[in-house]
Amino acid sequence: AQSVSQHNHHVILSEAASLELGCNYSYGGTVNLFWYVQYPGQHLQLLLKYFSGDPLVKGIKGFEAEFIKSKFSFNLRKPSVQWSDTAEYFCAVTPYGNNRLAFGKGNQVVVIP
Amino acid sequence: DAGVIQSPRHEVTEMGQEVTLRCKPISGHNSLFWYRQTMMRGLELLIYFNNNVPIDDSGMPEDRFSAKMPNASFSTLKIQPSEPRDSAVYFCASSFSRAGEDTQYFGPGTRLTVL
Repeated sequence: AQSVSQHNHHVILSEAASLELGCNYSYGGTVNLFWYVQYPGQHLQLLLKYFSGDPLVKGIKGFEAEFIKSKFSFNLRKPSVQWSDTAEYFCAVTPYGNNRLAFGKGNQVVVIP
Repeated sequence: DAGVIQSPRHEVTEMGQEVTLRCKPISGHNSLFWYRQTMMRGLELLIYFNNNVPIDDSGMPEDRFSAKMPNASFSTLKIQPSEPRDSAVYFCASSFSRAGEDTQYFGPGTRLTVL
């Protein structure tokens, strides 16, 4: 079964700082990749996804992610964070054609005004 | 679009009681998923259905847990009897599976507390 690793579980940064969250997965075949965000007390919302094509994916709220197949990575980035980006971020992976999502443990991001 | 609907949003019950969680998927979606989220274990897939048929229930922790999907617009997750270690947030998600591209949309969750 595939597994997903997210490092630096807790991230604290100031507004306007840049954010990068790492995501690595273990699966040798074709994958579909996702980042979800969970604001405090809310449900998971889709931030962005990658199925195929351009490995640089742009999502909502200024987030983007880059798929690097050779590194089995799908890192999330935002050039300048805002206080409202305080949330938990989850990377998720599923093998192509299989809709069983495997989630990482999440990154708790706190943005200080 | 109403999104995935779950009820109740909060449930507090006593150990040994039966608990039933409900989910209405997004209209037109053909796959439905039940997840459990805890601090210790993160997000775990419990079971998922495709076209109302259970496909993979390997994540169901034990026989106390059961799930049904009697039609395309309704699913239940039942815990009987409940135990304190079942306390968690239970999410339902749905998707429309097509050509290997499947995006799951999550409901607001049910926060279950078993005393």
